[in-house]
Amino acid sequence: GDSVTQMEGPVTLSEEAFLTINCTYTATGYPSLFWYVQYPGEGLQLLLKATKADDKGSNKGFEATYRKETTSFHLEKGSVQVSDSAVYFCALGYNTDKLIFGTGTRLQVFP
Amino acid sequence: NAGVMQNPRHLVRRRGQEARLRCSPMKGHSHVYWYRQLPEEGLKFMVYLQKENIIDESGMPKERFSAEFPKEGPSILRIQQVVRGDSAAYFCASSPGGRVQANTGELFFGEGSRLTVL
Repeated sequence: GDSVTQMEGPVTLSEEAFLTINCTYTATGYPSLFWYVQYPGEGLQLLLKATKADDKGSNKGFEATYRKETTSFHLEKGSVQVSDSAVYFCALGYNTDKLIFGTGTRLQVFP
Repeated sequence: NAGVMQNPRHLVRRRGQEARLRCSPMKGHSHVYWYRQLPEEGLKFMVYLQKENIIDESGMPKERFSAEFPKEGPSILRIQQVVRGDSAAYFCASSPGGRVQANTGELFFGEGSRLTVL
């Protein structure tokens, strides 16, 4: 079946460092891919998405490119801030309401 | 995503007791989804409800679990005779209407309810 695999956390970085959180997937079809973020004390919220191969999703300085050849959707940011500290979830979905999530990766950014 | 309210945030139950988790969707949203996150796992879909209707419960365990979304009031996820394996974070999400199209991914989540079974 379909699944999502994320790198284990926590990822600990200093402010202004470059961020990569790896996400790979297995899929029987052609899903859309998502990154959700959960800030402390809040619910999950959509960060960015890509609906087909080679699409790049971007938001708040974060980017991720839908790579069909490597079945990946890695999250990147050039310069992280303390306020980016959160848990990041990679997910995939088809034309349904059943999103399939990864286990989440905790990011900790220190000044 | 502010607006999806879940309570309680934390719930402790002993084996055999009942757990009730509540979810009030965002204003104007009539579709509710429940997801469960077991330790060391990703969020997994449980059930999708509209007002007074269960649309898809394919992710619900066959026994002890039930969900409702009445015409008035919050959606409730009910777990009877809890066991230690039910310990998890339960997330509720809502959407404004119609089945969520995966190419929009617009699910609005609450903070989750963490159930601990002793």
